[in-house]
Amino acid sequence: GAVVSQHPSWVICKSGTSVKIECRSLDFQATTMFWYRQFPKQSLMLMATSNEGSKATYEQGVEKDKFLINHASLTLSTLTVTSAHPEDSSFYICSARAWPPDNEQFFGPGTRLTVL
Amino acid sequence: AQSVTQPDIHITVSEGASLELRCNYSYGATPYLFWYVQSPGQGLQLLLKYFSGDTLVQGIKGFEAEFKRSQSSFNLRKPSVHWSDAAEYFCAVGAQRGSSNTGKLIFGQGTTLQVKP
Repeated sequence: GAVVSQHPSWVICKSGTSVKIECRSLDFQATTMFWYRQFPKQSLMLMATSNEGSKATYEQGVEKDKFLINHASLTLSTLTVTSAHPEDSSFYICSARAWPPDNEQFFGPGTRLTVL
Repeated sequence: AQSVTQPDIHITVSEGASLELRCNYSYGATPYLFWYVQSPGQGLQLLLKYFSGDTLVQGIKGFEAEFKRSQSSFNLRKPSVHWSDAAEYFCAVGAQRGSSNTGKLIFGQGTTLQVKP
């Protein structure tokens, strides 16, 4: 099956620093990647949709300048949390969609971000 | 409005017992339906999906789900639960392929499954 990787799997940073999370589709080309945020014991909240070569589309309420998304190639999307604060601490999950043939998303293992 | 509802936040079953997790959806078009499982601190693994055809879908790990259009439901079942099935389960709905869509999925709130020995 299609494999999506994320790096790093966990990161701890100081408040005010920026953190970059990578999402890679390892064995297929992903025309679209999605970034989710998940709080403990809660469902996934879609943050943004990124299409290769174009600007990301952010969901309502998500700060574009705080969460920078770049989808520079068909196998790589990055999420940069700028000037991170403790409230940005969360579990971030990416997924990738290969289109065609269908609408299935393949999920990465997630990145645990802790901001001190 | 498009939505997915998983009525049961937490379910506890005994090992070897049968399991049914409920999922109801509200979607304007013909939906593409998924069940995912998430172990603690992990990403999501696809259990099964429904696109069209036979409304009873077989998935991995002995799971199956039945699409009932008249009830807007896509319930997940397993005849005999194993301790390793303890996890979080998410139902999701998306647009059918061929539609003009962004590929977004709408997720339910999740159901936590606990398995008693």
